[in-house]
Amino acid sequence: KNEVEQSPQNLTAQEGEFITINCSYSVGISALHWLQQHPGGGIVSLFMLSSGKKKHGRLIATINIQEKHSSLHITASHPRDSAVYICAIKNTGNQFYFGTGTSLTVIP
Amino acid sequence: ETGVTQSPTHLIKTRGQQVTLRCSSQSGHNTVSWYQQALGQGPQFIFQYYREEENGRGNFPPRFSGLQFPNYSSELNVNALELDDSALYLCASSFWGQWETQYFGPGTRLLVL
Repeated sequence: KNEVEQSPQNLTAQEGEFITINCSYSVGISALHWLQQHPGGGIVSLFMLSSGKKKHGRLIATINIQEKHSSLHITASHPRDSAVYICAIKNTGNQFYFGTGTSLTVIP
Repeated sequence: ETGVTQSPTHLIKTRGQQVTLRCSSQSGHNTVSWYQQALGQGPQFIFQYYREEENGRGNFPPRFSGLQFPNYSSELNVNALELDDSALYLCASSFWGQWETQYFGPGTRLLVL
């Protein structure tokens, strides 16, 4: 069983749609990270969360520590948002675990 | 803008060989983490280095080893390569304790034949 599970695995949306990607984890964490990976491998850090909610532009990330769940929302999606979105956690023992990613395609 | 660089970008090796991958940190970052990403999978944490010492390790055998140098650059060494070692190897640098500032390099794609 993976420590981090993401859903959906693949997502196709029309430009302008509101998108939600979910992440569930099974261990105690000190932080959760949302990453964006473009074709070719480059990874960009989007958010680090330990509680509550963060917003950056059209991206919103929330976390519920009690339920061990986080969501990444994209408002007014755009084709340039097409990428793989990865949820990663850091446990209390300085170990890092990653989800397998959600592949998002936004169609114009 | 990320300042993390990795070399080489691509590499082909055969089973049993040894490989060294290199990573230069973002300027000022003192912590380096290495990850292995198999095709279609999420990254897996290999280990982290801080002050030239390993400080956290994932579920990887001892044939995966690393070094961090005084200038905070780092190497990942893999001995006795196996076919399953074929993957994208990513390094990321950050300030110690500030995981949210982690910057990723572009990766080295290793193919073991």
